[in-house]
Amino acid sequence: SSELTQDPAVSVALGQTVRITCQGDSLRSYYASWYQQKPGQAPVLVIYGKNNRPSGIPDRFSGSSSGNTASLTITGAQAEDEADYYCNSRDSSGNHRVFGTGTKVTVL
Amino acid sequence: EVQLVESGGGLIQPGGSLRLSCAASGFTVSSNYMSWVRQAPGKGLEWVSVIYSGGSTYYADSVKGRFTISRDNSKNTLYLQMNSLRAEDTAVYYCVIVRSSGWLEYFQHWGQGTLVTVSS
Repeated sequence: SSELTQDPAVSVALGQTVRITCQGDSLRSYYASWYQQKPGQAPVLVIYGKNNRPSGIPDRFSGSSSGNTASLTITGAQAEDEADYYCNSRDSSGNHRVFGTGTKVTVL
Repeated sequence: EVQLVESGGGLIQPGGSLRLSCAASGFTVSSNYMSWVRQAPGKGLEWVSVIYSGGSTYYADSVKGRFTISRDNSKNTLYLQMNSLRAEDTAVYYCVIVRSSGWLEYFQHWGQGTLVTVSS
């Protein structure tokens, strides 16, 4: 199996832009997907594929990828974006899945 | 409307067994990839297992040989049979619909989770 590494925590001023990264060898072969989780709630899909947002996810969320690194960007962060964010992909074997270590986003 | 409702969690002694259920509505379990994901208290998400629409199953190394994922097509329900439970299996267990096509995959819909506590 492989690992996906994220920074443990980042902070962003209200209305500013923050980028969260996810690094792992499997990202050279598979797209990452991103999940937002607020305290006491189930995770919610926010970005998948090259840069796709499910219905209901604000367009301030966007995704990108280069080499072994996937990124989630929040442009114009809002107070309600304060949450834990996890990336996910298949591992290098293709049949196992792996979640990133998670990033706690604080909106100041 | 897609709904996933997990049940079967609770307090169990180390070494014991428990079966989690995930009752689905609004879609057909057997036509989709379905997965279990868990989250220990205060920790991150951990993938546990997946069952493909064709029936193939895969497990995280941490549960392989102890957990079994299955489905009942007539009940449109997903299961996770958990044996030889350990304290480190204590977590909220989520049932998830997985959309997958080639190198594109994502965990689309999540249930609300069921808490499993392994303790004496």
